[in-house]
Amino acid sequence: SQKIEQNSEALNIQEGKTATLTCNYTNYSPAYLQWYRQDPGRGPVFLLLIRENEKEKRKERLKVTFDTTLKQSLFHITASQPADSATYLCARRRDDKIIFGKGTRLHILP
Amino acid sequence: NAGVTQTPKFQVLKTGQSMTLQCAQDMNHNSMYWYRQDPGMGLRLIYYSASEGTTDKGEVPNGYNVSRLNKREFSLRLESAAPSQTSVYFCASSPLAPSTDTQYFGPGTRLTVL
Repeated sequence: SQKIEQNSEALNIQEGKTATLTCNYTNYSPAYLQWYRQDPGRGPVFLLLIRENEKEKRKERLKVTFDTTLKQSLFHITASQPADSATYLCARRRDDKIIFGKGTRLHILP
Repeated sequence: NAGVTQTPKFQVLKTGQSMTLQCAQDMNHNSMYWYRQDPGMGLRLIYYSASEGTTDKGEVPNGYNVSRLNKREFSLRLESAAPSQTSVYFCASSPLAPSTDTQYFGPGTRLTVL
């Protein structure tokens, strides 16, 4: 079945460095992948969508890549700040629904 | 616009009690969803509604029922609550048919079943 896998270990990054989060999927490539941010006690918030035919997408300090050969999406935050600390979720289409990975907790250390 | 609103924010139930979680969106979205989120399990889809008048089961529908009351409102009912239903419940909506667009989430309902 089609799955989404994210590293469930927390990621600690020094402020100012680039944080890179990984999302791996199984089976065939989805038409697109989505990335969401979730803060404690709140609902997820959509950040970026990257389509299968797009190699890279950027939004301010955020960059997402989509590698159909590796079946992987990478999510980068450049010049990271403590305010970027949150859980980041990857999502893909499965049948007529969207399924989410378990998320990766990111801590930006001052 | 308020976006997606959910009530209540917190609820404590005893085993066997029933309750309805309410969700409303003011973005004129066609599709609405109910998820539960548990530690280590991520977000799991309970039920969804692609459009007004339709509902479909998600990944974990057992023990729940839903009603798409109109285009704005989508409620989730627990007929006989069980401790395994202790969770955080999120409602979400999206503008097009399921899976073709981004999802907008509500603030969540934290439910404890004793």
